[in-house]
Amino acid sequence: AQTVTQSQPEMSVQEAETVTLSCTYDTSESDYYLFWYKQPPSRQMILVIRQEAYKQQNATENRFSVNFQKAAKSFSLKISDSQLGDAAMYFCAYRSYSGNTPLVFGKGTRLSVIA
Amino acid sequence: GAVVSQHPSRVICKSGTSVKIECRSLDFQATTMFWYRQFPKQSLMLMATSNEGSKATYEQGVEKDKFLINHASLTLSTLTVTSAHPEDSSFYICSARFLAPAGELFFGEGSRLTVL
Repeated sequence: AQTVTQSQPEMSVQEAETVTLSCTYDTSESDYYLFWYKQPPSRQMILVIRQEAYKQQNATENRFSVNFQKAAKSFSLKISDSQLGDAAMYFCAYRSYSGNTPLVFGKGTRLSVIA
Repeated sequence: GAVVSQHPSRVICKSGTSVKIECRSLDFQATTMFWYRQFPKQSLMLMATSNEGSKATYEQGVEKDKFLINHASLTLSTLTVTSAHPEDSSFYICSARFLAPAGELFFGEGSRLTVL
């Protein structure tokens, strides 16, 4: 079974600065997807960024980028120019490539943004 | 993007009663939906996989007789918490798989259940 580990329960960053959230995973599969989801106080799950394992290029979405190291099974999220609205819980998630498989989530990292 | 709607967003019920939560895919057909449970300050734990037209697949430790899941159409899955107890109080979230972008699951807004 796949597992996702987020070793940072809480992180904080100054507004306009950069922060990196860590995520590692364990799998025996070669094809899969990795995601970062944001959960604000409303608890709505919001997709931040997605990475397909077969792609070597790191995904980017505006201020959000990932450092995907397949051999090391590492998938960190970098948030640049942090904004107050970035404060939330961030979950790293894994999904198998094939079939109707669910997301497997890490325990989450609570990010605070300091004005 | 694909929209998943969940209803009700909040529900309070008395112990011993049953509560139904609906999860609808509004602009796409979802043959598979997933139900998660989230305790305060914790992660999302998969409860069951709901498949249209067939029985749901429950995760180990989840009582299928307590958490009844029905996926009668391609746009609707329901979770019924039967004979609710205070320990069933939690946040329940559904998600559905849309064909594209590949691999992405879309989430409902969640339902907060409080059992008195």
